Amino acid sequence: DAGITQSPRHKVTETGTPVTLRCHQTENHRYMYWYRQDPGHGLRLIHYSYGVKDTDKGEVSDGYSVSRSKTEDFLLTLESATSSQTSVYFCAISERQGPTRTQYFGPGTRLTVL
Amino acid sequence: KNEVEQSPQNLTAQEGEFITINCSYSVGISALHWLQQHPGGGIVSLFMLSSGKKKHGRLIATINIQEKHSSLHITASHPRDSAVYICAVSHMYSGGGADGLTFGKGTHLIIQP
Repeated sequence: DAGITQSPRHKVTETGTPVTLRCHQTENHRYMYWYRQDPGHGLRLIHYSYGVKDTDKGEVSDGYSVSRSKTEDFLLTLESATSSQTSVYFCAISERQGPTRTQYFGPGTRLTVL
Repeated sequence: KNEVEQSPQNLTAQEGEFITINCSYSVGISALHWLQQHPGGGIVSLFMLSSGKKKHGRLIATINIQEKHSSLHITASHPRDSAVYICAVSHMYSGGGADGLTFGKGTHLIIQP
């Protein structure tokens, strides 16, 4: 257990509303990630962070923004939610083990945009 | 962009059978990961490997870097092994060296008693 929590765990919202998902870790890891999981596509990287205030885009970043003002929190914001953003969102952290890093995943947030 | 292909997509087997799930990728990587996801559940990292073979209990993972191929084996399969098994590869992104993962679409495994 890498001490990762996500909130909320479930959310239903309407098209056009802003939504913020929170990922919180207790292990002080430097690297944090947001992924979305969709049937037929699998998991895809949205954004990642390599330190406080250091973030970068992943494969499917359009329509999403992130912020990391503290080591322990990584926020994912949908500025104006669309139905195509209905998905399960996973946060992950990575812990160095030699030259590469194992990733540990949070429990996920199921977001439905109506 | 790395393409990660898994086979089979779906696999149903009887308890006790030897299971093999395959993963291939298109470009060089820093490591390959095998993950497990139970229905409605979270994602658990089973293995991370960059060469050779690793074993944990009844699970064995192998990788052939030259052929860009990995296999996950389950010996003496049990109904509790029923889950989605996901292959993922890590590679270096620019800007800080974070290893974001690229995933296969997963193999749905069902082990019948």
